[in-house]
Amino acid sequence: KAGVTQTPRYLIKTRGQQVTLSCSPISGHRSVSWYQQTPGQGLQFLFEYFSETQRNKGNFPGRFSGRQFSNSRSEMNVSTLELGDSALYLCASSLAGAGGYETQYFGPGTRLLVL
Amino acid sequence: GQQLNQSPQSMFIQEGEDVSMNCTSSSIFNTWLWYKQDPGEGPVLLIALYKAGELTSNGRLTAQFGITRKDSFLNISASIPSDVGIYFCAGHQRGPNFGNEKLTFGTGTRLTIIP
Repeated sequence: KAGVTQTPRYLIKTRGQQVTLSCSPISGHRSVSWYQQTPGQGLQFLFEYFSETQRNKGNFPGRFSGRQFSNSRSEMNVSTLELGDSALYLCASSLAGAGGYETQYFGPGTRLLVL
Repeated sequence: GQQLNQSPQSMFIQEGEDVSMNCTSSSIFNTWLWYKQDPGEGPVLLIALYKAGELTSNGRLTAQFGITRKDSFLNISASIPSDVGIYFCAGHQRGPNFGNEKLTFGTGTRLTIIP
């Protein structure tokens, strides 16, 4: 079965712009989580959506937002980009959460470069 | 953001050698997970541990959930070239919401095999 897909794979933006990243989960998965990965901070949890509702949230500023659609596809948006937002953004989908990490799969990520 | 202390940061070994890495935290976790990440890919789950003291194997990989619930280790026996990559530990704390709550990741161990 198809894995988690993320688009675009690479993106270059300039400071002050905004960006939208997309994640299509594995068919049947209803939970989508987003993570930011940087060399300095490592992997940091952004937020998790389940059935179109944000269920959990990490410690990121309000410039980072997301949403989930009825087909479980998710988007995350970063407004007013800063240089420090340059990172690999990973999305992970799982069946229903509930701690079942065996069903959680990560996508390949979107690499964002902010100039 | 919070990260777990993972050591060593990098390892250079010869094919066939055994590998050991560990993760420590000041916080208690309900679940410990070990992931491997290859270049250009998202992390892939290797082993999940759900009970203090639990020792779990997956082929040549063995991991343990520390008795104090604040640490975990991963061993790889008889390393092969495809073991090259970055290994991450992650801890999960159960909260009031029963769902796919946030994971706190370790800083990563980069494994290199010297020919």
